[in-house]
Amino acid sequence: AQSVTQLDSQVPVFEEAPVELRCNYSSSVSVYLFWYVQYPNQGLQLLLKYLSGSTLVKGINGFEAEFNKSQTSFHLRKPSVHISDTAEYFCAVGEYGGSQGNLIFGKGTKLSVKP
Amino acid sequence: GAVVSQHPSRVICKSGTSVKIECRSLDFQATTMFWYRQFPKKSLMLMATSNEGSKATYEQGVEKDKFLINHASLTLSTLTVTSAHPEDSSFYICSARVFQAEAFFGQGTRLTVV
Repeated sequence: AQSVTQLDSQVPVFEEAPVELRCNYSSSVSVYLFWYVQYPNQGLQLLLKYLSGSTLVKGINGFEAEFNKSQTSFHLRKPSVHISDTAEYFCAVGEYGGSQGNLIFGKGTKLSVKP
Repeated sequence: GAVVSQHPSRVICKSGTSVKIECRSLDFQATTMFWYRQFPKKSLMLMATSNEGSKATYEQGVEKDKFLINHASLTLSTLTVTSAHPEDSSFYICSARVFQAEAFFGQGTRLTVV
């Protein structure tokens, strides 16, 4: 992937509201995609992944994402957020056939859930 | 999911000393391990990619003599920050993966050089 863009650096939302974190990528080959969550001073935890098949993927903690090849997007959604969802979220893309298999990360979106 | 253990989680060292950080894949063999550095409020910056038994591939701008990476086995990679300086203070994260599958991340190491 040449680049990954997370359009929003910060997303404030009230508890129990729906949320969408946006991710777009650019690549000339087939890709696979991930969303990771990072809590303060911790490593990254996988939320969900798209490798192939159904474009709607469900992950942990009630999150889901939809791969849209024509729009080169992989937006993350949750219908009702909790305070505990406050964290940094990273979208990552890998390219099939890439020699090293490195993932390209977006700059992250900080989700702040308020009571 | 698979577990990647990174140790230590926090380390404080004096300027000029060296620090070693370990990254282990506990329940799978990782074909590739990656080392990232994360600056405050910024994304992960890939430092280097290591494959077991071969030299690490460093990203442009990363000093290979300063950040020594050893990938001794399919389950262990180490990053040694040599002659550390305060500007090396950062959050370092390793990840391990099997090719074209998801990457699993260690819990990170907060390095503070005083």
